[in-house]
Amino acid sequence: QLQLQESGPGLVRPSETLSLTCTVSGASISRSNYYWGWIRQPPGKGLEWIGSVYYTGTTNYDPSLKSRVSLFVETSKNQFSLNLSSVTAADTAVYYCARHFRNGSSGDGFDIWGQGTMVTVSS
Amino acid sequence: DIEMTQSPSSLSASVGDRVTITCRASQSISIYLNWYQQKPGKAPQLLIYAASTLQSGVPSRFSGSGYGAEFTLTLSSLQPEDFATYYCQQSYRTPLTFGGGTKVEIK
Repeated sequence: QLQLQESGPGLVRPSETLSLTCTVSGASISRSNYYWGWIRQPPGKGLEWIGSVYYTGTTNYDPSLKSRVSLFVETSKNQFSLNLSSVTAADTAVYYCARHFRNGSSGDGFDIWGQGTMVTVSS
Repeated sequence: DIEMTQSPSSLSASVGDRVTITCRASQSISIYLNWYQQKPGKAPQLLIYAASTLQSGVPSRFSGSGYGAEFTLTLSSLQPEDFATYYCQQSYRTPLTFGGGTKVEIK
């Protein structure tokens, strides 16, 4: 069945770029009707959507992060990735990747999630 | 941005109890409301989408209702595995936003 797995460094220094990759297994990332999203959760807090990307490269970002975030897809590797620049301690969080279904009036949400990866921003 | 407000922020209940969680949007979002369950240290799991459609594999004791700006998640008979934090999320407009969560604890 479809599985998602995040990977990347667990520690990033302030002002540097956080880079994470999500590897999709069990299905092609190019399947239509699915975007691929990133959601984060600061320690002890709620969920925050970062953005979503389609296999064609079409993206949607949270405007509050748009100037610092970039999402892209590598279909040959069945992966999608997140870059978040100029990080601060406020970017410390568990980062989740997820499949984002968008079926118009039939619904729009995150139905399959990776296990999450903790990223700490600290010098 | 559309603000999502959940109430209560936490509740204590016993196994077998009927539990209702409310989610209010700062504007009408039609039926574009999802519910997730999150257990400690785990990723969220989609329970309900489009306000009332049960995700495949989710027990029928979970149900959702509502339209516009007010929605509810109901657990008809709380089971031990249901003790968790529940989040609502609107998908009407980006940026997609989540409620602050409702923690369901054992009484």
